[in-house]
Amino acid sequence: QKEVEQDPGPLSVPEGAIVSLNCTYSNSAFQYFMWYRQYSRKGPELLMYTYSSGNKEDGRFTAQVDKSSKYISLFIRDSQPSDSATYLCAMKGTGGFKTIFGAGTRLFVKA
Amino acid sequence: GAVVSQHPSWVICKSGTSVKIECRSLDFQATTMFWYRQFPKQSLMLMATSNEGSKATYEQGVEKDKFLINHASLTLSTLTVTSAHPEDSSFYICSASLAGGLRDEQFFGPGTRLTVL
Repeated sequence: QKEVEQDPGPLSVPEGAIVSLNCTYSNSAFQYFMWYRQYSRKGPELLMYTYSSGNKEDGRFTAQVDKSSKYISLFIRDSQPSDSATYLCAMKGTGGFKTIFGAGTRLFVKA
Repeated sequence: GAVVSQHPSWVICKSGTSVKIECRSLDFQATTMFWYRQFPKQSLMLMATSNEGSKATYEQGVEKDKFLINHASLTLSTLTVTSAHPEDSSFYICSASLAGGLRDEQFFGPGTRLTVL
């Protein structure tokens, strides 16, 4: 079993739709949870960074962490064609530097 | 702020040659840098972690004699792919982290696409 599971998609939605991206994980030691966006042939850029359980909102993006279920989500409201990219979840425990990445979900937002 | 650059952005080389990729943190000092490789439609695979002034820590299955990592300063790390072969063709991405504090956030470079003929 992989430490982090993420559906690779692709996920195709119309412009303006609400997008839900999810990851599950198995290691209860994970405390920091991140979402990265990666455009084709580019490096990942950090979108959201949360610690432990709860919600965090930044503009059109909302990150949710449910540690009891080992489940994290990223919601994108009013999706735009420019949101078309691969979204990677990532997580790490305390004290160490190794971050574990999900496989990434490819998102296409159609105009 | 927190910009990481990589050079070159792409490189094509002949089998058997060595290729050096540079990773620089432009506006901060990175005590730790990470090297990843990414195959098409797959996630990032950590290759090694390097701390300035010390030997890199390689992940299991990564040949340290083939992928030489040098982290000579707080703003520069290099990855040298020695005696490259076609199976080494991949997208190589570095990231830099400012250790300490609560986040240890990683900032990624734009990646280097290596094609070995």
